Amino acid sequence: DAGVTQSPTHLIKTRGQQVTLRCSPKSGHDTVSWYQQALGQGPQFIFQYYEEEERQRGNFPDRFSGHQFPNYSSELNVNALLLGDSALYLCASINIRSRSGMNTEAFFGQGTRLTVV
Amino acid sequence: DAKTTQPTSMDCAEGRAANLPCNHSTISGNEYVYWYRQIHSQGPQYIIHGLKNNETNEMASLIITEDRKSSTLILPHATLRDTAVYYCIVTNTGNQFYFGTGTSLTVIP
Repeated sequence: DAGVTQSPTHLIKTRGQQVTLRCSPKSGHDTVSWYQQALGQGPQFIFQYYEEEERQRGNFPDRFSGHQFPNYSSELNVNALLLGDSALYLCASINIRSRSGMNTEAFFGQGTRLTVV
Repeated sequence: DAKTTQPTSMDCAEGRAANLPCNHSTISGNEYVYWYRQIHSQGPQYIIHGLKNNETNEMASLIITEDRKSSTLILPHATLRDTAVYYCIVTNTGNQFYFGTGTSLTVIP
């Protein structure tokens, strides 16, 4: 089981550009959440996707958008990049249908380090 | 916003038990307490979670007070590899976490 995989691992973009980050959830998981982690801070919840729709959203502008595919993989898109978007972007997955008793945990990927210059 | 309060940093001698406290005085009845740790900008790693009973697994023990307003994560025999930032999170979703700044645990040889 490969767990949660994210690509690319590192990325450098120029201010104003657009970026797409990718996430493949752990086998058997159907729900993906994205987090942004600035240096020295805890991860901040961006949004969650289930059944190919955005279900929950944190306090992020609509420059941040996402998509979930029928195979449950997901993309995070950020438009009009700002220097402040430089961060580690984390993806987490869970099988939402198995959490009726909350007896499960989310698995995180290793993240994509985005640097905006 | 994070609904937990944790000390910024702690030290623990190698081989001793590490006890990491967490306050969550506004926890709701259907919210669980989760603990994750993050080693040097890797992805957070799940440790343990619980609702109101104490829990134990191969990594740690979780002690939740009877009023559920605080909890303690116990690493029974800390090793150098346990040096990490430990996050205490309360949630009722299992996948939508609001992290605070966590506790930076340093295990000292």
